[in-house]
Amino acid sequence: QKEVEQDPGPLSVPEGAIVSLNCTYSNSAFQYFMWYRQYSRKGPELLMYTYSSGNKEDGRFTAQVDKSSKYISLFIRDSQPSDSATYLCAMRNTGFQKLVFGTGTRLLVSP
Amino acid sequence: DAGVTQSPTHLIKTRGQQVTLRCSPKSGHDTVSWYQQALGQGPQFIFQYYEEEERQRGNFPDRFSGHQFPNYSSELNVNALLLGDSALYLCASSPGPGGDTEAFFGQGTRLTVV
Repeated sequence: QKEVEQDPGPLSVPEGAIVSLNCTYSNSAFQYFMWYRQYSRKGPELLMYTYSSGNKEDGRFTAQVDKSSKYISLFIRDSQPSDSATYLCAMRNTGFQKLVFGTGTRLLVSP
Repeated sequence: DAGVTQSPTHLIKTRGQQVTLRCSPKSGHDTVSWYQQALGQGPQFIFQYYEEEERQRGNFPDRFSGHQFPNYSSELNVNALLLGDSALYLCASSPGPGGDTEAFFGQGTRLTVV
């Protein structure tokens, strides 16, 4: 079993839709949770960074962490074609910079 | 701020050869980590360098080695290349080896082994 599970998609939505992306994990020691966006043949770009449980909002993006369920989510409101990319969740323990990634979910937003 | 820069962007090597990839961290960052991303997969941690020493290592063979220089830049070396080493190699930098801060990634070096 992988430490971090993520549905690879693709997830296809029309422009303007609300998108929900999710990851589950098995390591209860994870304390830091990140979402990265990766365009084709580019490096990952950090979108959201959350410590422990709770919600965090940044513009059209909202990250949620439920440590009791070992479940994290990223919501994208008013999705745009430019949001079409692969979204990677990543996690790490306190005191270690090693990130453990999911496989990524490919998102396609059609005009 | 130039961010994290990697070179080269692409290269093709023959099985059995050796390769060196280079990374300059984001300004103000002193810690560099290397990741391997196979096609369709998430990045896998190779190792992390801080104060010119390898601090953490993932599940990669000794064919993968690295170095960090006094200016915090870093190199990743892979010996005896295998076809399975073909991947996007990513460098990430952060301010400190275990700080409560996020890591920033470079654009990656795409290595093809033929």
